[in-house]
Amino acid sequence: EVQLVESGGGLVQPGGSLRVSCAASGFTFSSYAINWVRQAPGKGLEWVSAISGSGGATSYADSVKGRFTISRDNSKNTLSLQMNSLRAEDTAIYYCAKGTSAYYPYYFDYWGQGTLVTVSS
Amino acid sequence: EVVLTQSPDTLSLSPGERATLSCRASQSVSSNYLAWYQQKPGQAPRLLIYGASNRATGIPDRFSGSGSGTDFTLTISRLEPEDFAVYYCQQYGSSPRTFGQGTKVEIK
Repeated sequence: EVQLVESGGGLVQPGGSLRVSCAASGFTFSSYAINWVRQAPGKGLEWVSAISGSGGATSYADSVKGRFTISRDNSKNTLSLQMNSLRAEDTAIYYCAKGTSAYYPYYFDYWGQGTLVTVSS
Repeated sequence: EVVLTQSPDTLSLSPGERATLSCRASQSVSSNYLAWYQQKPGQAPRLLIYGASNRATGIPDRFSGSGSGTDFTLTISRLEPEDFAVYYCQQYGSSPRTFGQGTKVEIK
């Protein structure tokens, strides 16, 4: 059974940093791209970042480029998102979502339950 | 960036009725790389349709997708109580991947 479990969310002050993680199981982790998608309270879905199966290719939404860094450890089946210079508008539930292949294009066939990041003073 | 506009924002229907949800793209979606997701309150999104018209594993056949180019439709033939939720379309044919703003299907 495919499982994606996010962790690391919490309350952080504007300008601060936070690292969220996603632990994967039930599939060959290195064979699939993984993405982060976020959802602000009461709002829709926003794609944030993607990383290829090997970790060699990454991409980011313009709204987080230069502030967020995605990475993966294929030996530990984990994905991370390092978030720096956080802003109030980054407040959201952060979901990790499994792609259907290692490289673009792909859709998301499994999602984690999400971790809430709140940016507030 | 491909902008996806869903309509209507809210659809008020009764169980047993047919639901028709629209997703219009600002430019042609490459290779009809269009997916639909269902999200219930407090839950993660769930994949329903990929490639515009292919049902994902385990999705009931009352859900169907159609369309091409810039106009896509998700149809629920007969609404069941568990189908009342928010539905999002997403294009994955070009970067950045984008989502529509969602259509809420609520009980009338």
